[in-house]
Amino acid sequence: DQQVKQNSPSLSVQEGRISILNCDYTNSMFDYFLWYKKYPAEGPTFLISISSIKDKNEDGRFTVFLNKSAKHLSLHIVPSQPGDSAVYFCAAGILIQGAQKLVFGQGTRLTINP
Amino acid sequence: NAGVTQTPKFRVLKTGQSMTLLCAQDMNHEYMYWYRQDPGMGLRLIHYSVGEGTTAKGEVPDGYNVSRLKKQNFLLGLESAAPSQTSVYFCASRTLDYEQYFGPGTRLTVT
Repeated sequence: DQQVKQNSPSLSVQEGRISILNCDYTNSMFDYFLWYKKYPAEGPTFLISISSIKDKNEDGRFTVFLNKSAKHLSLHIVPSQPGDSAVYFCAAGILIQGAQKLVFGQGTRLTINP
Repeated sequence: NAGVTQTPKFRVLKTGQSMTLLCAQDMNHEYMYWYRQDPGMGLRLIHYSVGEGTTAKGEVPDGYNVSRLKKQNFLLGLESAAPSQTSVYFCASRTLDYEQYFGPGTRLTVT
């Protein structure tokens, strides 16, 4: 049972345009959401996060939107740059048995074309 | 400040062999995690630790054991490797926030 889903395995965007990566979740107990970026042969690195009490968080070119009623979050990158080409994972945080855990989506490979 | 480091980076095992993956962090984090990443499946939690001397099972713990004898180290053991354990293994640590810091990964192949 995949609680966090990224339904697009890949996305191709032209440099300078907006990239929109989507993520859906099923568990209403998730209280925190994060996006990670991963380059080949490296570990995931934290990009941006949002608490469940907010609907938007912005950090430079990156904005995360949360729609709790739809159980949907998205990451917007504007403008997209070649260095943004990577695999992006969304993750949802939940407190279970006194420990905070993250549940990850399958990832979306973003390719920025010059 | 090296962050989270993992040893080794690559390893090839034969079915039935054993090995230990080492994770070390120098950020004084209480919480540490072991994940595996397989194509199309994201990162899945194997085991985790909420502090020195404590460990707990995650989503896919079968075939793995862990130990957290020192706060800065979290070891993942495979007692009898199987081809299904071919994967990329990531260690992570965190403080009180949800944000986890990941190591560079260990690519393990079991033949």
